[in-house]
Amino acid sequence: GESVGLHLPTLSVQEGDNSIINCAYSNSASDYFIWYKQESGKGPQFIIDIRSNMDKRQGQRVTVLLNKTVKHLSLQIAATQPGDSAVYFCAETAISGTYKYIFGTGTRLKVLA
Amino acid sequence: DGGITQSPKYLFRKEGQNVTLSCEQNLNHDAMYWYRQDPGQGLRLIYYSQIVNDFQKGDIAEGYSVSREKKESFPLTVTSAQKNPTAFYLCASSRRTDHNEQFFGPGTRLTVL
Repeated sequence: GESVGLHLPTLSVQEGDNSIINCAYSNSASDYFIWYKQESGKGPQFIIDIRSNMDKRQGQRVTVLLNKTVKHLSLQIAATQPGDSAVYFCAETAISGTYKYIFGTGTRLKVLA
Repeated sequence: DGGITQSPKYLFRKEGQNVTLSCEQNLNHDAMYWYRQDPGQGLRLIYYSQIVNDFQKGDIAEGYSVSREKKESFPLTVTSAQKNPTAFYLCASSRRTDHNEQFFGPGTRLTVL
């Protein structure tokens, strides 16, 4: 499988517990953020996004929190399931029209049965 | 069934040979992107295209070339000038408006022997 997960911080969570994955973003001008999930050997999948005029957004079993003061983003997964095991990373972009994103290195989530 | 396809999934080439990676999308997206993913690193942008017959260099364009003759297709050529071509390559597309998620293909794992 794809070795993208090597050397990444790992979060181990018991099945059924909540998970919190953090991301420190780099550009204070960034105003749009996305969380992606990437399973081994596959392309990233969109989970949830948030714009800078919000500090919280909820999806199905997931919540993203944005703290612009400290340039911090978090992804909360409720009732973590084995299928949630993957690498999660955030992406940021600013209103520039260049469609260029900055991607974080990611966190590996391991769900323990 | 809309999406992005990349082929092949695994590719092996001898050092010094050029190789072209395919990326096709049927999402009617104007913008397309190529990224390189290495273990422990975030996605790095190689090239992107906002419209047919136009493309721009990303952060690590040296040793790569692209073309955008059709809206649906954005092939990437890894040339012999690329010093360390072994990597996982991801293609993505998005609508040509600000702040839209990028949809990713399944990736191509290139190994240069």
